[in-house]
Amino acid sequence: GAVVSQHPSWVICKSGTSVKIECRSLDFQATTMFWYRQFPKQSLMLMATSNEGSKATYEQGVEKDKFLINHASLTLSTLTVTSAHPEDSSFYICSALTDTGWNQPQHFGDGTRLSIL
Amino acid sequence: DQQVKQNSPSLSVQEGRISILNCDYTNSMFDYFLWYKKYPAEGPTFLISISSIKDKNEDGRFTVFLNKSAKHLSLHIVPSQPGDSAVYFCAASGMDFNKFYFGSGTKLNVKP
Repeated sequence: GAVVSQHPSWVICKSGTSVKIECRSLDFQATTMFWYRQFPKQSLMLMATSNEGSKATYEQGVEKDKFLINHASLTLSTLTVTSAHPEDSSFYICSALTDTGWNQPQHFGDGTRLSIL
Repeated sequence: DQQVKQNSPSLSVQEGRISILNCDYTNSMFDYFLWYKKYPAEGPTFLISISSIKDKNEDGRFTVFLNKSAKHLSLHIVPSQPGDSAVYFCAASGMDFNKFYFGSGTKLNVKP
């Protein structure tokens, strides 16, 4: 089946640091990748949608200058949390779509737990 | 605005019995519905989906029912097994598949 690899799985860093999270589709080309954020006991909240070679589409309330998304190839998308602060601590998950046909579910990475001290 | 809702945060079921997880949505434009299973510290894993042209889809022990008039879907797991213990998310999308809306999840505990 389709595999999505997300790295790192856990990162702890000081306030003010920028953190880059990678999301790779290992055995398929992802036309679209999604970035989600999950707070404890809450739903997956979509942050942005990215298509290869174009600018990401951010959801309302998500700061594009804060959360930089780069989808440079059909197998890699990155999320950079710039100048991270404790309130950015959360669980970030990426997912990828193979294509937009029927019955094509998203394939999720295992997520990145970000802890800002 | 929560367009997909899972009103039960948790559910406990005895092994061998049926587990029924419910999901409600508000947007009548949704055409595609999915269920995901999630273990702690892992990403969600796709379980089963259904398109709006159907009212039932079955895959082994998992069956998803869709009631479009009530804007309600449910996931039935029978028989339930301890390994089914996880958080289950329902999700919905329009035909463009550009955006998926997730419920807040239901934590299922299957007791041996």
